[in-house]
Amino acid sequence: SQQGEEDPQALSIQEGENATMNCSYKTSINNLQWYRQNSGRGLVHLILIRSNEREKHSGRLRVTLDTSKKSSSLLITASRAADTASYFCATDGNTGGFKTIFGAGTRLFVKA
Amino acid sequence: EPEVTQTPSHQVTQMGQEVILRCVPISNHLYFYWYRQILGQKVEFLVSFYNNEISEKSEIFDDQFSVERPDGSNFTLKIRSTKLEDSAMYFCASSKTGKLNTEAFFGQGTRLTVV
Repeated sequence: SQQGEEDPQALSIQEGENATMNCSYKTSINNLQWYRQNSGRGLVHLILIRSNEREKHSGRLRVTLDTSKKSSSLLITASRAADTASYFCATDGNTGGFKTIFGAGTRLFVKA
Repeated sequence: EPEVTQTPSHQVTQMGQEVILRCVPISNHLYFYWYRQILGQKVEFLVSFYNNEISEKSEIFDDQFSVERPDGSNFTLKIRSTKLEDSAMYFCASSKTGKLNTEAFFGQGTRLTVV
């Protein structure tokens, strides 16, 4: 089964608007993480939320987790052109923590 | 801020050749990982490494792949006889522990092109 499917696949917004990306997963998890990847670059860890947490904030980022629905959302408020990137959710898949399972990502484009 | 570094940033190799991708994990980290991302696709787990041995590996990590920590700082991924389908971005990562809820730090990746 696939884990960590993001939606939408692509999102285009104006600078200053909020961007919301969703992630769904299939198996139980211990934590869920969001990463950012600029085109052709490495992965940057944004935020980790544990399975017993429902919401977490970091600067302009807000992440929610609903384990009953097996879903998470990433909200970027007051977006900037520099937020243009791909965003991935990743889970541990309750496998013992040695590996991270990534989704296919949401490509966010913020127009200046 | 400490970071994971990978070299080279881009490697072009002929099909059938051996390649070694190099990584320097963060110095006090004990767990090391390799992932790959074929262009436009998901980031896929390859292998995790702890205490000088493989902890876990995926189906992708077949006999053509091997990992090594030859000294106290480097962590390498070797592909013995490259195939066209090995073309991908390869990411190294490290973490302090292998426990749940531990953040892994990723390098910038090595883009491998097999021609």
